[in-house]
Amino acid sequence: DGGITQSPKYLFRKEGQNVTLSCEQNLNHDAMYWYRQDPGQGLRLIYYSQIVNDFQKGDIAEGYSVSREKKESFPLTVTSAQKNPTAFYLCASSIVAGATEAFFGQGTRLTVV
Amino acid sequence: AQKITQTQPGMFVQEKEAVTLDCTYDTSDPSYGLFWYKQPSSGEMIFLIYQGSYDQQNATEGRYSLNFQKARKSANLVISASQLGDSAMYFCAMREGGSYIPTFGRGTSLIVHP
Repeated sequence: DGGITQSPKYLFRKEGQNVTLSCEQNLNHDAMYWYRQDPGQGLRLIYYSQIVNDFQKGDIAEGYSVSREKKESFPLTVTSAQKNPTAFYLCASSIVAGATEAFFGQGTRLTVV
Repeated sequence: AQKITQTQPGMFVQEKEAVTLDCTYDTSDPSYGLFWYKQPSSGEMIFLIYQGSYDQQNATEGRYSLNFQKARKSANLVISASQLGDSAMYFCAMREGGSYIPTFGRGTSLIVHP
């Protein structure tokens, strides 16, 4: 089945460590996105990519980095510079940037211990 | 200022009844789009419905309809004949004409009772 796969579902990180969240899609979509969700909040955009080897910062990019070396993959690295990384992270894709419908993965819950 | 406001943190509805989830928005851009997404407890966001600012008719998708009142800047989601599987968080979002990315509201929790 086509879709978006995020792994792992749960992730624990010690303070000061970098950690990478995986996002893979087999929908042949050009655009991919990373969002952060905190309790009682809507989604906030971290980074998005319109095409391979290109990406743009969203509203809360500080302390995060991404790469887009392959069309199907858009990993997110949470660096030690991110002061409050505990959150739920959602990856999404759409056929092109700005398409009406975006498809989401099931998320990764990151906890800093 | 918040661009998307969802004032109902939680809603309860009886199975088979209709329910309206409120959403108001703020923009000065004449071209914009409004979205509703559902987030069940499993975590993924599911696209439900879209309304463009120039669309003449209210959008409908199966049991979902969007009550679009442009002058009031409201885009309420109406779910008809609620089902137990409709229990979830619901998010309203708006994308302005020059942007690829929507801004999301804080969501409304819907619980459907048998």
